[in-house]
Amino acid sequence: DAGITQSPRHKVTETGTPVTLRCHQTENHRYMYWYRQDPGHGLRLIHYSYGVKDTDKGEVSDGYSVSRSKTEDFLLTLESATSSQTSVYFCAISPTGDYEQYFGPGTRLTVT
Amino acid sequence: RKEVEQDPGPFNVPEGATVAFNCTYSNSASQSFFWYRQDCRKEPKLLMSVYSSGNEDGRFTAQLNRASQYISLLIRDSKLSDSATYLCAVNDPSGAGSYQLTFGKGTKLSVIP
Repeated sequence: DAGITQSPRHKVTETGTPVTLRCHQTENHRYMYWYRQDPGHGLRLIHYSYGVKDTDKGEVSDGYSVSRSKTEDFLLTLESATSSQTSVYFCAISPTGDYEQYFGPGTRLTVT
Repeated sequence: RKEVEQDPGPFNVPEGATVAFNCTYSNSASQSFFWYRQDCRKEPKLLMSVYSSGNEDGRFTAQLNRASQYISLLIRDSKLSDSATYLCAVNDPSGAGSYQLTFGKGTKLSVIP
């Protein structure tokens, strides 16, 4: 299995609070991705990174920001969590942009 | 937005059956295609890449039909352990999308004893 960890694995938070999810990889892959997965919508890309300090928006980026200060870490921040951001969040990594992606174990976030 | 479509199922098949899933994609320029398997409450795991000439891995066969813009996954001699949701993924080689995969919503397979 690819060396990807996500933390926390589960989190319950209140509406309006900031939340940061962390993705850590030991594979030294250049590309990192954040997805959310919801029933009826499948996996949707939030943000991705193609190198340290290089990030771009995905399909559902509103309400989310990201940072990548080191190759191994990609952070996803919800500045002010809303109930619509209750979801399962997956991080993925890839050695090249058009190669297969490998997923972390996911974070289940509940915003009450 | 580029589309990737899958039949959501569920496909309920008996053990030992052969089952096939299709996945259609809208961008004729796509070059990379993948099948993932996702168990309940787990992360998607790469099952196999799909090559132009088709490829086989044990009981699993993946095919690409560029003319009709779909990929397929064939599972022979189904096992109970094959029960899962199968996701297809397609890259979008245009602009910023070249770094991204678009995923289908998945097809649920239940293999019944």
